[in-house]
Amino acid sequence: EDQVTQSPEALRLQEGESSSLNCSYTVSGLRGLFWYRQDPGKGPEFLFTLYSAGEEKEKERLKATLTKKESFLHITAPKPEDSATYLCAVRPLYNQGGKLIFGQGTELSVKP
Amino acid sequence: ETGVTQTPRHLVMGMTNKKSLKCEQHLGHNAMYWYKQSAKKPLELMFVYSLEERVENNSVPSRFSPECPNSSHLFLHLHTLQPEDSALYLCASSQGPSAYGKSSYEQYFGPGTRLTVT
Repeated sequence: EDQVTQSPEALRLQEGESSSLNCSYTVSGLRGLFWYRQDPGKGPEFLFTLYSAGEEKEKERLKATLTKKESFLHITAPKPEDSATYLCAVRPLYNQGGKLIFGQGTELSVKP
Repeated sequence: ETGVTQTPRHLVMGMTNKKSLKCEQHLGHNAMYWYKQSAKKPLELMFVYSLEERVENNSVPSRFSPECPNSSHLFLHLHTLQPEDSALYLCASSQGPSAYGKSSYEQYFGPGTRLTVT
């Protein structure tokens, strides 16, 4: 069964304290892995797509990496405005209609 | 308007009411989705429409009825809901395979409708 697990469930950092969020996945062929940011009461905001192992993407203080079993979202020198829930999703290779399978998310809190 | 919009943003309804949620995408995409997000649970896919045809229905109760009149608009008709249906309902769109062969798999989400069933 296709599955996505994110860890930790919650992460508290001090401003400037770098860390990583993990997304482990089990899927029968990967067409793409996606990272989203979600602020309270809002819809998820697209961040990155990764397609193959070894691929990396960067945006400001965020860097996403991908292996054959997991993805990491590295946050370098975070700021309070990076506080949000970060969602990981996969699209299986053999999939009708573009279905994404989401993890439960990591709630990040960055204190000044 | 840009991106994906949803109305209303908040809805409170009784169990015997009938209401509809509306979604509109301004991205030129050809696939649209309804998701349910409950507290502390992963997003649950409810329905997928590709080129205005429903291609997936994830065992959703019949009290939820989707409608996709064209590639820019998506509705979710609600009737005789239960309190456990209270959640954030999210609409998304993406560019699926087309006659031109181009597609991207990213889904872009609207702000959601916060539904409370009393």
